[in-house]
Amino acid sequence: EVQLVESGGGLVQPGGSLRLSCEASGFTFNFYGMNWVRQAPGKGLEWISYISSGGTTIYYADSVKGRFTISRDNVRNSVYLQMNSLRVEDTAMYFCARELDYEAYWGQGTLVTVSS
Amino acid sequence: DIQMTQSPSSLSASVGDRVTITCQASQDIISYLNWYQQKLGKAPKLLIYGASSLETGVPSRFSGSGSGTDFTFTISSLQPEDIATYYCQQYRALPATFGGGTKVDIK
Repeated sequence: EVQLVESGGGLVQPGGSLRLSCEASGFTFNFYGMNWVRQAPGKGLEWISYISSGGTTIYYADSVKGRFTISRDNVRNSVYLQMNSLRVEDTAMYFCARELDYEAYWGQGTLVTVSS
Repeated sequence: DIQMTQSPSSLSASVGDRVTITCQASQDIISYLNWYQQKLGKAPKLLIYGASSLETGVPSRFSGSGSGTDFTFTISSLQPEDIATYYCQQYRALPATFGGGTKVDIK
């Protein structure tokens, strides 16, 4: 069974940092690109970052470029999102998602709250 | 980036009604389109991929059609358990982009 389990969310002050993790199981992790998608309270889905299966291709949304860094460890079957210089508007549920194509699969999310 | 315009943003229908949601892409995405269902507090669930292919285990009352820039998602007979927000998402090009969502509830 495919599983994606996010962790690392929490309450952080503006300007602070968090590192999100997503551990995968039930599929050959190093065959798939991975994404982070977020959803602010009561809002729609916003794609924020992608990393290819081998980690060589990376994309970011303009809203997080220069502040967030995506990475992966194909030995630990995990993808990470390092979030720096956090802003109030980064408050959201953060989902990791396997390849947003015909094989899309999403984790349950981890909540990040940025507030003083 | 490819923009996805979804409508309506919300709708209310009776049990048994046919429900239709549309999604328009800002450029040709061929058939590289997913439809998701998201229930309150849950992760999105893939219902339709390739614009019209039903994901395994998804009830047949859900269907999708279209190609190019114009797409349609249909629930043939709305059930109480279908209360959710539905999103389209293109995967023709990175970054993947989403429609704004359609909130469906029961009248």
